[in-house]
Amino acid sequence: EVQLLESGGDLVQPGGSLRLSCAASGFIFSNYAMSWVRQAPGKGLEWVAVIYGDTSTTYYADAVKGRFSISRDNSENTFYLQMSSLRAEDTAVYFCAKGRSAVAAAINYWGQGALVTVSS
Amino acid sequence: DIQMTQSPSSLSASIGDRLTITCRASQGVSNYLAWYQQKPGKVPKLLIYAASTLQSGVPSRFSGSGSGTDFTLTISNLQPEDAATYYCQKYNTAPFTFGPGTKVNLK
Repeated sequence: EVQLLESGGDLVQPGGSLRLSCAASGFIFSNYAMSWVRQAPGKGLEWVAVIYGDTSTTYYADAVKGRFSISRDNSENTFYLQMSSLRAEDTAVYFCAKGRSAVAAAINYWGQGALVTVSS
Repeated sequence: DIQMTQSPSSLSASIGDRLTITCRASQGVSNYLAWYQQKPGKVPKLLIYAASTLQSGVPSRFSGSGSGTDFTLTISNLQPEDAATYYCQKYNTAPFTFGPGTKVNLK
């Protein structure tokens, strides 16, 4: 059974940093692209970043480029989202998600989400 | 970047109705288009990928079509559990943008 478990959500001040983690199980982790998708309160889904199975290919939404960094540790079946220079508009539930393949693909599994609140 | 739009933004329908949601890309995305269903307080669920391929376990009343810039999600024989918000997503190249969503309400 595929499981994705996020951790690290918290209240952080504007300009601060936070790292989200997503522990994966139930599949061969290195064979799949992994993504972060966020959803602000009462809003729609916003794709944030993806890292391909090869660990070296990453892409970001313009809204977070230069501030967020996605990485993965295939030996630990875990991937991460390092967030810096956080803004109020980054407040959202952050979902970690598994793609259907090692590269660009639809998302077939989602974590339950981690709440990040950026506020003073 | 390619922009994704959906129409309508919301609709009301009755049990048993057939309804169609449209997703449009500002540039062609071939068939790299997925549809998701999200119910309040729940995580999204993949319904359709590659524009028309039904994800395993999804009821056959859901279907997708289209290629290039224009796509549709059709729900035939609407059921109470289909009340939700539906999102399209393109994934041909990054950014893998979602559409703004279509909220389906039951009359």
